Amino acid sequence: IAGITQAPTSQILAAGRRMTLRCTQDMRHNAMYWYRQDLGLGLRLIHYSNTAGTTGKGEVPDGYSVSRANTDDFPLTLASAVPSQTSVYFCASSDGQGATEAFFGQGTRLTVV
Amino acid sequence: GQNIDQPTEMTATEGAIVQINCTYQTSGFNGLFWYQQHAGEAPTFLSYNVLDGLEEKGRFSSFLSRSKGYSYLLLKELQMKDSASYLCAVMDSNYQLIWGAGTKLIIKP
Repeated sequence: IAGITQAPTSQILAAGRRMTLRCTQDMRHNAMYWYRQDLGLGLRLIHYSNTAGTTGKGEVPDGYSVSRANTDDFPLTLASAVPSQTSVYFCASSDGQGATEAFFGQGTRLTVV
Repeated sequence: GQNIDQPTEMTATEGAIVQINCTYQTSGFNGLFWYQQHAGEAPTFLSYNVLDGLEEKGRFSSFLSRSKGYSYLLLKELQMKDSASYLCAVMDSNYQLIWGAGTKLIIKP
């Protein structure tokens, strides 16, 4: 693994189903983020974690939950998927020390039908 | 509220110069980032400005005026591979990134 890895790459999900998007980084970054990207809108922050064991809500947290049991992993769970959660999801990380660049995973394209 | 504005789409010719503008209104300011995103790919970091002025990095330069809430990304000697979306993002007082919707740059031969 080099950098930040997301799985799956894409998924079609039936509405009402539960789904976990996985994110793993090997850069030992303290901060991790989940964004969704929709056409015509900027990246919107769903949840974030400044360090292992802590999480926080972003701009659009409803319907999503996260956990940060260790430094490397930051899974995003949709408890009961709805069509409005159809989007491209990006996981990102940064070393969290002030204003530093974020590194992004390749994204998960999720379609809820 | 917090707001980042940038043009939706721009077209330029291979070999030319293009300037992509970004204006912002945010709660605090801890720097402005530019990212490049090719279609279907992840955003990748291009530049960071926290002080007023111009930062040059090869064919790409980024300018910031904090008093005007304004930045631009300047791309010189355009190549076909520069066709991508360019995302402007401001880090607010809580060190959270606020993102613009991105500018899709189309390069024509």
